[in-house]
Parts: sequence; C-alpha cells; structure tokens
Amino acid sequence: SQQGEEDPQALSIQEGENATMNCSYKTSINNLQWYRQNSGRGLVHLILIRSNEREKHSGRLRVTLDTSKKSSSLLITASRAADTASYFCATVHTGGFKTIFGAGTRLFVKA
Amino acid sequence: EPEVTQTPSHQVTQMGQEVILRCVPISNHLYFYWYRQILGQKVEFLVSFYNNEISEKSEIFDDQFSVERPDGSNFTLKIRSTKLEDSAMYFCASSLGLVDEQYFGPGTRLTVT
Repeated sequence: SQQGEEDPQALSIQEGENATMNCSYKTSINNLQWYRQNSGRGLVHLILIRSNEREKHSGRLRVTLDTSKKSSSLLITASRAADTASYFCATVHTGGFKTIFGAGTRLFVKA
Repeated sequence: EPEVTQTPSHQVTQMGQEVILRCVPISNHLYFYWYRQILGQKVEFLVSFYNNEISEKSEIFDDQFSVERPDGSNFTLKIRSTKLEDSAMYFCASSLGLVDEQYFGPGTRLTVT
C-alpha cells in the first residue's frame, strides 16, 4: 500500500455510534495529521500527533499512533450526522517537507 | 481565528494559457505549500516553500509550474501553459514550523477547457 493509506474506504454508521478509521504508512515520519473534507470543500485540520506521542484527544476525537506498526487510528465517538465527510491522514516523512495524503475514508452517519 | 485565504475561488482558462493562483497564508507562518486534488482523487503534494525558496517538490511540479512570494503576505502558484489535465482543485497551506499543523485554504477550482 502507499504511504498514508486509510481503511476502510467507506464506513456507514448510525448517529450515536463510534467510527474508527485506520491509516498505515511506510517510512519514518515527523508527524501524522488527520483532516476532514466535506464534499467539494476545503480540508479542515482535526488533529496532529507527533512521532513521539502515542495517543491524543480533542473533543470527541481520539487518535493513536503506533510507530512500530507504522499505523494510526482515528476514533470519533458519539457520531453525529454532521460528521459525514471524508477523512484523510497525512504524513510528513522524517527529514522532508513533502506531505503525503491517503485516499481517505468516506464516513456516512445516518440520522 | 486566522485563516489561509485563496483567490479566485474558481478560474476557467483555455488550454495553453497562463494562470496565477493566489494565496495569503497565516501571517506568522514560515512554511508554505501547494497541493492539488483532481476530482474524486487524493490530495497530492506539489511543492513546499521556506525561507524564500523551494524546499521540496514533487514529480508533478515540472517546469510549467513556479511559485513565488512576491511580498510579505502573498504566495502564488503559476502554471505557465495550462493543459486539460491541470484541471483540479488547488489548495494552499501554511504552517508555523516544519512539524506543526498545516492549515489549508478553501481552494481554487481550476477548469482548463
């Protein structure tokens, strides 16, 4: 898989349920960021986790990072219909400036 | 809250024409980026810019592309001779430091006819 690949590609859940999205990458990284994109709109920064961090929280978001497995997960708790969007992870490899985005997970939250 | 702005929101141009996309990054940020997203595809890195020079560029960023920070606030992307396949959403982003959050502008939708 390519750097910053998310799975699943699509996820459909009921409002109130939790949504978990995963991201894998290949090279060593400085940090990993998660973004949200509503259809046809810009990218909204959600959370950044640095390579020396293992877990981070922001509101209903929880991000984990496992550098030994080169993977991260984004958990959205108590989902709302407004969380319907595409979610991307993005990595900056160590020593570089280039940010690589995954193909994203499309989340659909049914009211 | 400070934000990255981009103009225009939509640009239509004919093949072979030059276009300049404009961005105003967040004022105290030091690192600037351009990305593109072809409809239905992933966001692709084009170029990063720091200390008034390109710090890294992708294979997409060929001789047809150039970037400039003409003054203390604007950051521009020029496409010298547009092709049909340049049609995409172009996003500008900025960050305070190399390992800090990148904040994205709303994008410019470029349509080449």
